[in-house]
Amino acid sequence: DTGVSQDPRHKITKRGQNVTFRCDPISEHNRLYWYRQTLGQGPEFLTYFQNEAQLEKSRLLSDRFSAERPKGSFSTLEIQRTEQGDSAMYLCASSSRGLSSEAFFGQGTRLTVV
Amino acid sequence: AQKVTQAQTEISVVEKEDVTLDCVYETRDTTYYLFWYKQPPSGELVFLIRRNSFDEQNEISGRYSWNFQKSTSSFNFTITASQVVDSAVYFCALSEGGGFQKLVFGTGTRLLVSP
Repeated sequence: DTGVSQDPRHKITKRGQNVTFRCDPISEHNRLYWYRQTLGQGPEFLTYFQNEAQLEKSRLLSDRFSAERPKGSFSTLEIQRTEQGDSAMYLCASSSRGLSSEAFFGQGTRLTVV
Repeated sequence: AQKVTQAQTEISVVEKEDVTLDCVYETRDTTYYLFWYKQPPSGELVFLIRRNSFDEQNEISGRYSWNFQKSTSSFNFTITASQVVDSAVYFCALSEGGGFQKLVFGTGTRLLVSP
């Protein structure tokens, strides 16, 4: 399978714990995006990487959130001191260079904070 | 500010009926892109179509067709002869011409096609 891969698919954690999600983009894609989707809503943009550089962060990404993309390959999204409001589906997408290239999404990581 | 409105929260149809999903957008840019994505129960967003702001030609792909009208800021999606497999949540999205795909999504329309 050469699509966008996310791990884990599901994560249940206790409030206050740290969690880390991984995204492996399509291999030739240099752009990688993280989105968050809460129940009944559309995905909301969190952050964007071009190669290893993080070029934009949404105000939704509080100080408890950090994302990395070492060497411009896979990416990780870490949430520290999780809160119940962090419960959501976290979606990763990748695209190739070009203004109009579409983003391909992974199946997401569903986070439940109890 | 960019905004995408999908006023229809949920639509139920019987198989073989035609159905249109509405999408209205707001943007101040003259260069932008519009998208439709399908989200089946598995959760993965599946790309359906991309349209740039300079191309108002309608498009047909099999049972799917799209009507883009800049005059009304709408980008509607029609499924002809719907099938049970079309049941999913459909999202309309907008990206301004900023050089990367920062998508602004609508809240989605859940389509339920019953046999």
